[in-house]
Amino acid sequence: KQEVTQIPAALSVPEGENLVLNCSFTDSAIYNLQWFRQDPGKGLTSLLLIQSSQREQTSGRLNASLDKSSGRSTLYIAASQPGDSATYLCAAGISSGSARQLTFGSGTQLTVLP
Amino acid sequence: NAGVTQTPKFRVLKTGQSMTLLCAQDMNHEYMYWYRQDPGMGLRLIHYSVGEGTTAKGEVPDGYNVSRLKKQNFLLGLESAAPSQTSVYFCASSYPRGLSSGANVLTFGAGSRLTVL
Repeated sequence: KQEVTQIPAALSVPEGENLVLNCSFTDSAIYNLQWFRQDPGKGLTSLLLIQSSQREQTSGRLNASLDKSSGRSTLYIAASQPGDSATYLCAAGISSGSARQLTFGSGTQLTVLP
Repeated sequence: NAGVTQTPKFRVLKTGQSMTLLCAQDMNHEYMYWYRQDPGMGLRLIHYSVGEGTTAKGEVPDGYNVSRLKKQNFLLGLESAAPSQTSVYFCASSYPRGLSSGANVLTFGAGSRLTVL
């Protein structure tokens, strides 16, 4: 059974700092790794998706990397801003039967202090 | 652009009562999912559907039933609510790009907060 872990559970940084969020998974047989953002009381918004054949994806100040062999993914946020404050979840995509499914980590709650 | 709409947004039930959560998507997506999110835990898959008229069990299906009578709607039912079902429920949908493709981006609804007393 795939298990996804995110450490730390919470992180607080001053504005402008570069930071890295970590995600680890136990089964390397994934088809993709996705990062989501969740604001309080809201649904999830997809940030980046890395296919199993890729090593990284970039969108603006965000860069996500994937190392299947070590079972790790990182989300790098450059020049953090207070608006980046949210919970960030990673999810490993697995195939089960006829459907693709996601196994989620419990998230890292990020606070960027002005 | 409505995307994925969940109703109701909030509901309080007493133990043993029944209710149905409705998820509607207007993106012509084939796949739809119901997840629950509990404090300190990631989202866990309850049931999912790969197309109209089909449903399948996810990781935590006990105590829930689902139906997909129309492609755009996915209903989650609780026949006899229990306090352990107090949670935030999220619906999501996606368009399958083929099992050979790695892309399967999910669009989530805003969530439905359910409290069972």
